[in-house]
Amino acid sequence: EVQLVESGGGLVQPGGSLRLSCAASGFTFSTYSMNWVRQAPGKGLEWISYISSSGKTIHYADSVKGRFTISRDNDKNSLYLQMNSLRAEDTAVYYCARDPGYCSDISCYGNWFDPWGQGTLVTVSS
Amino acid sequence: DIQMTQSPSSLSASVGDRVTITCRASQSISSYLNWYQQKPGKAPKLLIYSASSLQSGVPSRFSGSGSGTDFTLAISSLQFEDFATYYCQQSYSTPLTFGPGTKVDIQ
Repeated sequence: EVQLVESGGGLVQPGGSLRLSCAASGFTFSTYSMNWVRQAPGKGLEWISYISSSGKTIHYADSVKGRFTISRDNDKNSLYLQMNSLRAEDTAVYYCARDPGYCSDISCYGNWFDPWGQGTLVTVSS
Repeated sequence: DIQMTQSPSSLSASVGDRVTITCRASQSISSYLNWYQQKPGKAPKLLIYSASSLQSGVPSRFSGSGSGTDFTLAISSLQFEDFATYYCQQSYSTPLTFGPGTKVDIQ
C-alpha cells in the first residue's frame, strides 16, 4: 500500500523553527517528485514547495521562499521541510504529496498530487 | 503566476442530481488541470488528472473536460458520499496553484 506519513508539527512561537518529515512507503520513493501543500484553518489549499526525484530541481511559493527549505533522503524514503522565521500566517495543516511528473526550471509536465499524507498541524502563536 | 478561479463557490444539490463545477485559468494551461475532492478533516483525494483522465478507483460518475483556460468537473448522479469540497489545480508551471474550492452540500 502506498503511504505517506507526516510528522513534526506542533506549536511554535513566531520567529521560531520547525522541521517536518514525511515518511514514504509502498512505492519506489526515489523515482517520484514530491511536494508540500498546506491548508490554513478553514481555508483552501496552497502549494508551497516541489522537489524533483533526484532533489536537483526545487521550487517554492513566494510566501515561503527564503524561509522554508525542502529536501529529501532517497535512502531513507523521506521528505523534509525545514521551516524558519515562522509567522502566524504559516499556521496550517501541512501535507506531503507524491507527484509523478517533473518540473524543470521553466515549466512542468504531468504533475498531480496522489496520494497525500494525513497532514500535520503547525501552529505559530505566542 | 497563473490564477485559478472556480464557480460556483458553493452549491446545494440533492442525491441523484447532475452537478457541474467550472474552473478557469488566467492563461492557457493546455490540459494541465487536475481535480481533487476533500472531505472535512481529511486529506484531499485526486479525482481527475490532465483535465479528463479518471484516477484509478474513482467512480465513473465523475468526469472532467476542457482545455486551454476553461475546464469542467461533472458528477453525473450525485451520491451522498460526494458531498465535499472540490478544488481544481493547474500543473502547467510553478507555482502550482489551486482554485479557491467549491463546496457541495445537501439541499
